[in-house]
Amino acid sequence: DAGVTQSPTHLIKTRGQQVTLRCSPKSGHDTVSWYQQALGQGPQFIFQYYEEEERQRGNFPDRFSGHQFPNYSSELNVNALLLGDSALYLCASSQRWGYAGGLETQYFGPGTRLLVL
Amino acid sequence: GENVEQHPSTLSVQEGDSAVIKCTYSDSASNYFPWYKQELGKGPQLIIDIRSNVGEKKDQRIAVTLNKTAKHFSLHITETQPEDSAVYFCAATLPPWTSGGYNKLIFGAGTRLAVHP
Repeated sequence: DAGVTQSPTHLIKTRGQQVTLRCSPKSGHDTVSWYQQALGQGPQFIFQYYEEEERQRGNFPDRFSGHQFPNYSSELNVNALLLGDSALYLCASSQRWGYAGGLETQYFGPGTRLLVL
Repeated sequence: GENVEQHPSTLSVQEGDSAVIKCTYSDSASNYFPWYKQELGKGPQLIIDIRSNVGEKKDQRIAVTLNKTAKHFSLHITETQPEDSAVYFCAATLPPWTSGGYNKLIFGAGTRLAVHP
């Protein structure tokens, strides 16, 4: 049983460019959350997708957007990249809200390391 | 919103000793507290979690305790081994039915644990 997968593993972009990161959830999971982890810090919640809709959003600007597909996979898009967007981007999958009364365990993928020059 | 503080930021122990990492949270409505281990170049891996209706949970050499009154929870690792060396993150989440919920994880800043042979 494959766990959460993410692609690409590494990415180098320049300021102002746009980037798309991809995530495939663990088998049986239908909810995908995205987190940004700056060097030496804990992951910060970006947003969560369920039933192809953004359900909740953290304190990130509109430059960060996402999408969830019918097969539950997801994309994270970042426009107009800034140097400060350099980080490890983590995808986490879980079962749907309410499946375990709001206590659904989130499993993380290996992340995509983005470097903005 | 919810805030999680984690201490210490670094911890160095000798192989065979015990290690304790402590976290405090701000919102008494938080009901789920997972702990993740992150090795270099990898995504966070869930090692143990605890629900708010449980005071203690143990899994082999790892245990977690929760004090809801004081709003703090701790990770205990006994008989540490060199392979326990990693960064450990605590996290908390609010139930989906509360404001700001939808089971987004709020992470502490992490503890870098070094186990010396």
